[in-house]
Amino acid sequence: GDSVTQMEGPVTLSEEAFLTINCTYTATGYPSLFWYVQYPGEGLQLLLKATKADDKGSNKGFEATYRKETTSFHLEKGSVQVSDSAVYFCALDNYGQNFVFGPGTRLSVLP
Amino acid sequence: DTGVSQDPRHKITKRGQNVTFRCDPISEHNRLYWYRQTLGQGPEFLTYFQNEAQLEKSRLLSDRFSAERPKGSFSTLEIQRTEQGDSAMYLCAGHGTLGNTIYFGEGSWLTVV
Repeated sequence: GDSVTQMEGPVTLSEEAFLTINCTYTATGYPSLFWYVQYPGEGLQLLLKATKADDKGSNKGFEATYRKETTSFHLEKGSVQVSDSAVYFCALDNYGQNFVFGPGTRLSVLP
Repeated sequence: DTGVSQDPRHKITKRGQNVTFRCDPISEHNRLYWYRQTLGQGPEFLTYFQNEAQLEKSRLLSDRFSAERPKGSFSTLEIQRTEQGDSAMYLCAGHGTLGNTIYFGEGSWLTVV
């Protein structure tokens, strides 16, 4: 079945550092790819998405590019802030089937 | 604000009791999902509805779990004879007719003692 793999956390960075969180997927066909963010005690919020190969999703300084050849959707941000501390989930949607989520990567940004 | 609301936000119950969670999506969400999330894990799919029809159920959804969406609007998730292993956050998500994004509610935390 479809699956999503993420780099293990926690990831700890200093403010203004560069962030990369790796995500790879296994799926038949051409799924849509997503990053969701979860702040403590809250539900998941959509951060960005990409629906086809080579698409780049972006939001709030975060970016991710849909790479079909490497089945990856790595999340990047050039300069993280303390307020970015959260858990980040990579997910896929394979045409109307249920969304499949990765295990999440916890990010802690230190001032 | 995703427009998806869940109630209650927190529930503590004794083992063996029944609990019910409610989800109210916005009217455009013709598809509604339930997920379960335990500490340190990603959401795990439980079931989803297309309008009032329950189209798919995960094998995680044992016979103690039942979900309904009687009029294609709000949905309930009931857990009968709760067990300590049911302690988790139960997330509801709505999916509209446009686009392929799901929008989550704040979740309902269940603690079984």
